[in-house]
Amino acid sequence: TQLLEQSPQFLSIQEGENLTVYCNSSSVFSSLQWYRQEPGEGPVLLVTVVTGGEVKKLKRLTFQFGDARKDSSLHITAAQPGDTGLYLCAGDEVSNYQLIWGAGTKLIIKP
Amino acid sequence: GAVVSQHPSWVICKSGTSVKIECRSLDFQATTMFWYRQFPKQSLMLMATSNEGSKATYEQGVEKDKFLINHASLTLSTLTVTSAHPEDSSFYICSASIPGRRTDTQYFGPGTRLTVL
Repeated sequence: TQLLEQSPQFLSIQEGENLTVYCNSSSVFSSLQWYRQEPGEGPVLLVTVVTGGEVKKLKRLTFQFGDARKDSSLHITAAQPGDTGLYLCAGDEVSNYQLIWGAGTKLIIKP
Repeated sequence: GAVVSQHPSWVICKSGTSVKIECRSLDFQATTMFWYRQFPKQSLMLMATSNEGSKATYEQGVEKDKFLINHASLTLSTLTVTSAHPEDSSFYICSASIPGRRTDTQYFGPGTRLTVL
């Protein structure tokens, strides 16, 4: 069974703090996507990383793809209440032509 | 671009009735759409892949006779939950990928909250 382990599952921090969310797997991915979902809505794509070692920045969000393309991280700097939501990673698994979803990280930023 | 809509956004029905959920691609043609269900505080679970003009491909453990999928046109796929029961209550989300593989970037609809009494 292919797994994409996402951690932490839940994080509640104060506004202004930094945080990192991780997605790890033993599988190799040709690409990995990060989504953000607000309650009662569908997920919205934030970024897709494709190249091993790639780093992409989206304002205060920094996404990194591991060199071996087995893991990825999302780092948020100076978190704001508007960052609150469910963050999901999804990997395009190379060997099995499947899109594997992480379990999600519920993030709450307190003002 | 790449907007996906769903209707209804929420529905409450009695046990034993059937409910139809529509998924539309508004500004592009989607030969392939995907149906997910999501339980509270959990990730997405792929139910099936909807192919325009052909039968849907269901994931293991998903009852095809219970969750009927029809993809009649390049912009519309429907999911019908037949003889719904309380355990079918969930958040149902559709998506379409461009250009069409499920490993391509997916654009999600806003979801449909189904509550079966």
